[in-house]
Amino acid sequence: GNSVTQMEGPVTLSEEAFLTINCTYTATGYPSLFWYVQYPGEGLQLLLKATKADDKGSNKGFEATYRKETTSFHLEKGSVQVSDSAVYFCALLNTGNQFYFGTGTSLTVIP
Amino acid sequence: EAQVTQNPRYLITVTGKKLTVTCSQNMNHEYMSWYRQDPGLGLRQIYYSMNVEVTDKGDVPEGYKVSRKEKRNFPLILESPSPNQTSLYFCASSLRAGGVADTQYFGPGTRLTVL
Repeated sequence: GNSVTQMEGPVTLSEEAFLTINCTYTATGYPSLFWYVQYPGEGLQLLLKATKADDKGSNKGFEATYRKETTSFHLEKGSVQVSDSAVYFCALLNTGNQFYFGTGTSLTVIP
Repeated sequence: EAQVTQNPRYLITVTGKKLTVTCSQNMNHEYMSWYRQDPGLGLRQIYYSMNVEVTDKGDVPEGYKVSRKEKRNFPLILESPSPNQTSLYFCASSLRAGGVADTQYFGPGTRLTVL
């Protein structure tokens, strides 16, 4: 089957700290992988994506590399800001055009 | 402005009373989808549509119906709502399901409470 597992939160970091949110997946075939971000009271927004193995998605200082050998897509940022406080979701799109999301990781960045 | 709109944003109803949540996009997207978001479970896909008149079940389709008669609209129908369908619902659309142009745009959400 298809599933996404991401690290449980909440995560609290000081401003300028390094961020890693782990994400691993199970899928048949070759899925596309995504990170979405949800700010309070809003819908999800695409943060970055990767469509094949070894691709690196990046946006707004966030990065994630599609690792087929470890079935992972960990999200990283070198220096977080208060404005990065949100809930982050890892997701996959399988070859059958279905999306599967992780449970979300809440990040709070304190000044 | 490119957007996905949902109505209503908030709804409180009673068990068994049929309801429809509308979803509309103005981006000429082919792919549309409905999700429910529940604490500790993340987002789960209910139904999706690859194009007009083409719909498929997602992970949790029981108790829901959809239709795609026009490209821009993708209503979610609860024929006989039950309390376990109390949730936050999101509609989303993308140009296609996958490939390069696969950014999903999400609506603002509909918070449904079934008493």
